[in-house]
Amino acid sequence: DSGVTQTPKHLITATGQRVTLRCSPRSGDLSVYWYQQSLDQGLQFLIQYYNGEERAKGNILERFSAQQFPDLHSELNLSSLELGDSALYFCASSSSGRFTDTQYFGPGTRLTVL
Amino acid sequence: GENVEQHPSTLSVQEGDSAVIKCTYSDSASNYFPWYKQELGKRPQLIIDIRSNVGEKKDQRIAVTLNKTAKHFSLHITETQPEDSAVYFCAAYFNKFYFGSGTKLNVKP
Repeated sequence: DSGVTQTPKHLITATGQRVTLRCSPRSGDLSVYWYQQSLDQGLQFLIQYYNGEERAKGNILERFSAQQFPDLHSELNLSSLELGDSALYFCASSSSGRFTDTQYFGPGTRLTVL
Repeated sequence: GENVEQHPSTLSVQEGDSAVIKCTYSDSASNYFPWYKQELGKRPQLIIDIRSNVGEKKDQRIAVTLNKTAKHFSLHITETQPEDSAVYFCAAYFNKFYFGSGTKLNVKP
């Protein structure tokens, strides 16, 4: 157990809908990362937050947004969902914003868009 | 942006043999290269990493080598064990993380 929690574990929804994925980092960690893992695209970095501020942006679609709250938990919002958004979404946390910090991954949220 | 290629996509070895997975990157500014292990149905876990100012790093049976001139880095696992069976991902960092497509390692007992 990495100490990173993600909810929900599984999510099934329909095209066009909007969902919110939640991540709680390890106690004391200030940085949160979001990743998407799909069969055809592999593992992709989406976005990083550090202490409430956006730090780095990856291949995150405009239909997706994220934020990190004062208590350091983070939410990833996915809207106007398409079939291709079906994937495993991981969040990870690290102690600071340094890229060399070890990232600890959560168990993931499996999103299925029907 | 950066492009990371990883080979092979699958690798099958006999227990006790060595396994080598190679990654190439395109942007010479990339300066940090972590490797992750992901067991079936589980989360990725960092197993070893290397910074661009270092040529080799070892941790017990695992080592990573970096050739900055050729822009490639490799993961070496010696004395493989069945519990090493997993998917391994390389990554390169330049302002953000770019991942290879993964290598499925199967260690046959």
